Amino acid sequence: QKEVEQNSGPLSVPEGAIASLNCTYSDRGSQSFFWYRQYSGKSPELIMSIYSNGDKEDGRFTAQLNKASQYVSLLIRDSQPSDSATYLCAVNSGYGGSQGNLIFGKGTKLSVKP
Amino acid sequence: GAVVSQHPSWVICKSGTSVKIECRSLDFQATTMFWYRQFPKQSLMLMATSNEGSKATYEQGVEKDKFLINHASLTLSTLTVTSAHPEDSSFYICSAPVPPGEGYGYTFGSGTRLTVV
Repeated sequence: QKEVEQNSGPLSVPEGAIASLNCTYSDRGSQSFFWYRQYSGKSPELIMSIYSNGDKEDGRFTAQLNKASQYVSLLIRDSQPSDSATYLCAVNSGYGGSQGNLIFGKGTKLSVKP
Repeated sequence: GAVVSQHPSWVICKSGTSVKIECRSLDFQATTMFWYRQFPKQSLMLMATSNEGSKATYEQGVEKDKFLINHASLTLSTLTVTSAHPEDSSFYICSAPVPPGEGYGYTFGSGTRLTVV
């Protein structure tokens, strides 16, 4: 059973701070990883995808992947109240470039205080 | 970009009735559609995978006779909740892989909030 684990939070940070979200996954063969943001009652929206070890930066967001430790993280710099949402870590269940279904973690609820 | 349109956004139905949820790929052909369910304060859980022209594959514990999936064309996949009960009340979301020419990832429908009373 492939699993994705996240700290459910809530994680509370002051406006302007760095929010750090963490995720671990059980299948060592997993190859593609995604971070989604979900507002209450809405569908998930993609924040970042990452496939290679190391860091990937996009604006205020940085995803980090460590396949040896089976660990994925998301850093949000200069956090804004509008970043308050649930962040879902997801792993592609497929191998070798095939797009299987996504396996989601339970999500971490982030609250950014003005 | 690849867009999946999901309808209805919300529906309230009486216990024992059936509800159909539609997901249409607007600008691409979706050979595969994933159907997820999300209960309050929980994450998305895969219910079934539909492939155009073939039978859907259901996850363990999901009743295939209760959750009917039809993927008869490359642009339309439907989920029908038959004989709905209050415990079926949930947020249902469809998702399709983005076509290779548009990168690598997934596009999601906007979700359907089902309330069974």
